[in-house]
Parts: sequence; structure tokens; C-alpha cells
Amino acid sequence: EAGVTQSPTHLIKTRGQQATLRCSPISGHTSVYWYQQALGLGLQFLLWYDEGEERNRGNFPPRFSGRQFPNYSSELNVNALELEDSALYLCASNTGRGSETQYFGPGTRLLVL
Amino acid sequence: GENVEQHPSTLSVQEGDSAVIKCTYSDSASNYFPWYKQELGKRPQLIIDIRSNVGEKKDQRIAVTLNKTAKHFSLHITETQPEDSAVYFCAAFHLSGGSYIPTFGRGTSLIVHP
Repeated sequence: EAGVTQSPTHLIKTRGQQATLRCSPISGHTSVYWYQQALGLGLQFLLWYDEGEERNRGNFPPRFSGRQFPNYSSELNVNALELEDSALYLCASNTGRGSETQYFGPGTRLLVL
Repeated sequence: GENVEQHPSTLSVQEGDSAVIKCTYSDSASNYFPWYKQELGKRPQLIIDIRSNVGEKKDQRIAVTLNKTAKHFSLHITETQPEDSAVYFCAAFHLSGGSYIPTFGRGTSLIVHP
């Protein structure tokens, strides 16, 4: 069974630009979660998509947004990039509401210069 | 909102010793507490979890205990091995906006010396 995949593995942007990160969940999983892992801060919950809809979001500004496609893959968009957005962005998937166990992807490392 | 504190931030032990990592949470309605292991450059992997209606759970050398009254839970690793070296994260799932979402601790870097 293929695991959660993310692309790209690395992304370098400059301040003010936009970044788009992609995630493909495990086959059969309908929920996708996005996390930011900045150095020394653990994992911060960003967004949760299930069945194509945004179900919850963490304490992040609106310039962090995303969507989920009909095939349950997901995209995270970060607008007006700031230096402090540099981090590892992880996505995780599971079988949806009522399911807690999450399976993580390898992450996208975003560097904002 | 939920607040999860994790201690210690770094833990160094000799091979064969036991290791204990502790987490406290603030929301008494939190109901699910997983532990993840993240090796350097790799994705977090679930190693054990516990639900609020259970006090202890064990899986070979790994165990988790939950004290709902005190709002803390702990990860216990016995007979540590060098391959246990990694960063360990705890999390508490709590109700927010009508659904359960996780808040993670900041992680514990476990170093097992051969």
C-alpha cells in the first residue's frame, strides 16, 4: 500500500511570493490534515479537509489556505510569504471523521529568503 | 484552547535503561492521546496511543499511562536501544469548532548511548 506522498520535497521562495504545496493521501482515505513544523516548535495544526470541505483550521492567518480535490488530494497555499513561514510542512491522512490515527507524509521543506 | 506541555526537551540514557517522557494537557474534554516517533529526516510515525477511557496501554517495550484527574500522560520505553534515538511527540485531541483536532507537544529528543 502506497503511503502519503507530498510534493515538492523542497521549495525556495522569496518574501512576498506565493507557495503551493501538494499532498496525496493513502488510497481510501478521505481526510487530509496540514501541519507546520518549525524548528523547536513541534507540529502546529494548520487545516483539516474531509470529503472536499474545510472542517477545521488552526490559529494561522488567512494567507494560509487550501483545498481538497474530488480525488481527496489536497493543496496548501501560502500567500505573501514571510521569513517565519520557513518550516517543514507535513500532511497526514486518515479515513475521515471519527477516525483519529493519522498517517504522515514525508513533508515539504519551505525556505523563504 | 488546548495547551500541551512536554518534558523533558532532551533525554539522554544508556542502552538498556528506561526512558520516561511526560505530557500535561489543559482541556479536560480531550479524549485521545497519541505518541509519535520522528527519526532524523523522516516522517512522524505513530508508536502508541491511548483513549480517555483507558488508564494504561502496553506494546512490547513501550507503554503509555493516562491520569485524567491530573491531566497528564506519559510514555515509557524499557530496555532502550540505540534505534530508539529520535524525537518523540505527544498530542491531545480536543473539541474545537465541532470536531476533534490535535495539539502537539514540542517534542523530546531521546538519545540512547550504546
